[in-house]
Amino acid sequence: GAGVSQSPSNKVTEKGKDVELRCDPISGHTALYWYRQSLGQGLEFLIYFQGNSAPDKSGLPSDRFSAERTGGSVSTLTIQRTQQEDSAVYLCASSLAENSPLHFGNGTRLTVT
Amino acid sequence: QKEVEQNSGPLSVPEGAIASLNCTYSDRGSQSFFWYRQYSGKSPELIMFIYSNGDKEDGRFTAQLNKASQYVSLLIRDSQPSDSATYLCAVNDSGGGADGLTFGKGTHLIIQP
Repeated sequence: GAGVSQSPSNKVTEKGKDVELRCDPISGHTALYWYRQSLGQGLEFLIYFQGNSAPDKSGLPSDRFSAERTGGSVSTLTIQRTQQEDSAVYLCASSLAENSPLHFGNGTRLTVT
Repeated sequence: QKEVEQNSGPLSVPEGAIASLNCTYSDRGSQSFFWYRQYSGKSPELIMFIYSNGDKEDGRFTAQLNKASQYVSLLIRDSQPSDSATYLCAVNDSGGGADGLTFGKGTHLIIQP
């Protein structure tokens, strides 16, 4: 079956521009996570959505970062006024329920020049 | 602060031998335990999950959980060069959600032909 789909797979942007990253989770999965991974580093939690509950935004590194999840399905992560330190791979994952295994998308590699 | 500790490696194992990857966690309330494999430049892929004390086998992989000692391990039998990757341990407490899920930084495994 279809897995977690992320787009674009690669994004190069100039410093100061805004970017939008998209995640389409596995159908029926209620939980959706965004993580960031810099080269050679571990996973950095950004934001979590569970059903219709208010999202857990505790991992967002600054107010330039925001995310939404429409209709309990597709999610968009927006980074405003990008900085070079935002360069990383942004990973989306979904799970069937809160304690279920996460299934990751292929990620979006963001490069800010 | 919940912690999940893994030896970063690299762990070098000859082809055909058993690779043993270990993970310790700090939260005694942890309920769900996951192992992910991440190839260089790729996203994490679920390998095993375990919820109960003891062993769980799936093909060449065995997950071992000891809640009393707060560790979970992954054994890979008949190691192959294709098993060379970074292995991430993830632990979830009973509350679920993003703050209940903690990833280790991973162990880099190298299988030497």
